[in-house]
Amino acid sequence: NAGVTQTPKFRVLKTGQSMTLLCAQDMNHEYMYWYRQDPGMGLRLIHYSVGEGTTAKGEVPDGYNVSRLKKQNFLLGLESAAPSQTSVYFCASRDLGSGKSSYEQYFGPGTRLTVT
Amino acid sequence: KQEVTQIPAALSVPEGENLVLNCSFTDSAIYNLQWFRQDPGKGLTSLLLIQSSQREQTSGRLNASLDKSSGRSTLYIAASQPGDSATYLCAVRPGTYKYIFGTGTRLKVLA
Repeated sequence: NAGVTQTPKFRVLKTGQSMTLLCAQDMNHEYMYWYRQDPGMGLRLIHYSVGEGTTAKGEVPDGYNVSRLKKQNFLLGLESAAPSQTSVYFCASRDLGSGKSSYEQYFGPGTRLTVT
Repeated sequence: KQEVTQIPAALSVPEGENLVLNCSFTDSAIYNLQWFRQDPGKGLTSLLLIQSSQREQTSGRLNASLDKSSGRSTLYIAASQPGDSATYLCAVRPGTYKYIFGTGTRLKVLA
């Protein structure tokens, strides 16, 4: 049981390049989230998904797109990277909330992205 | 708009001391509150989750309390150890799906 995994762990992009971050979870969770973490600003929600085939915007969605074609995977895309997107990106998942501990969010190890 | 604040931003204590970390939120309408630990360069690890109907949760040397009416939660760490050094974050869930995070308290326990 690997929990939540993210690939890649590190990436350097030039301005204007594109890339996709992959998040995978093996806990059969319905909800998945993408956050970015910047110094002094805490974690901010980019996009989230409440089930396979569904996505919704979070607090800072501009410049990002997401897809949830399979329940276990949640992809975050940057179509044209900008230096302002330099950050650490975290994926998280949680269950529907029917059990005692199923309201908990479980986080991946993060992807450190630098855009030059 | 829900806002979550954690003060102080950083804290240093000698080993063995009991300590309290604070989390404040502006809107008492929350479903639950979750405390996390984050080690440098790592992801977040869940420590405790308190449902809105609960007053506290305990796990080992950790005890988290929740006072919804005053918009406060505290994380109590007993007999602190150098291995407790990390950043501690709290997050509230004001609706069905989303979470709002505080900016964290960076704790250093000195040997």
